[in-house]
Amino acid sequence: DADVTQTPRNRITKTGKRIMLECSQTKGHDRMYWYRQDPGLGLRLIYYSFDVKDINKGEISDGYSVSRQAQAKFSLSLESAIPNQTALYFCATSDSTTGPFHSYEQYFGPGTRLTVT
Amino acid sequence: GEDVEQSLFLSVREGDSSVINCTYTDSSSTYLYWYKQEPGAGLQLLTYIFSNMDMKQDQRLTVLLNKKDKHLSLRIADTQTGDSAIYFCAKTTNQAGTALIFGKGTTLSVSS
Repeated sequence: DADVTQTPRNRITKTGKRIMLECSQTKGHDRMYWYRQDPGLGLRLIYYSFDVKDINKGEISDGYSVSRQAQAKFSLSLESAIPNQTALYFCATSDSTTGPFHSYEQYFGPGTRLTVT
Repeated sequence: GEDVEQSLFLSVREGDSSVINCTYTDSSSTYLYWYKQEPGAGLQLLTYIFSNMDMKQDQRLTVLLNKKDKHLSLRIADTQTGDSAIYFCAKTTNQAGTALIFGKGTTLSVSS
């Protein structure tokens, strides 16, 4: 089974609708992230959470909100979807362990393709 | 703010070496990563290097870091058609702890 799962994998919604994207992980990591990918723009950070009580805005948080329901779950909401939020959304996790040999690798889910019409 | 730049496209023939380049703007101690994204898939970490290192080799992959010029490269030896993908350079951010800032990605096309 995948370590980081995202639901739904694909979603088409209309302008103005509220939509939630969900992310679950079985890696036991305390850090979770939401990124969006647009063609030719790479990935940009929307929100991140270093533990259940910690939520932080990323580079492009406007129009989005998040909820960290448990260590393993981090959901992203679009309160009122607009067409320029059409993108591929990725959830990622990482371990908070520090040390000279720790890579801080992030593990990515398969992505959710969201289309707002 | 911090920035990571990379060329958008690279085309090579099967069996040749591929070199993907990346530059970044912040010089503080950091981890630098190369991620691979195959069509329809998420990102997979290929390799990483800490900013106090000059080189790292892992099988067909060689990462070179020129800290003075803030230049990172990924060399893939004996490139195969299965290496066709988008390659992202990324680094840890200062503001967001271990969150990453990504380049726009280099699309590698390998022809047989």
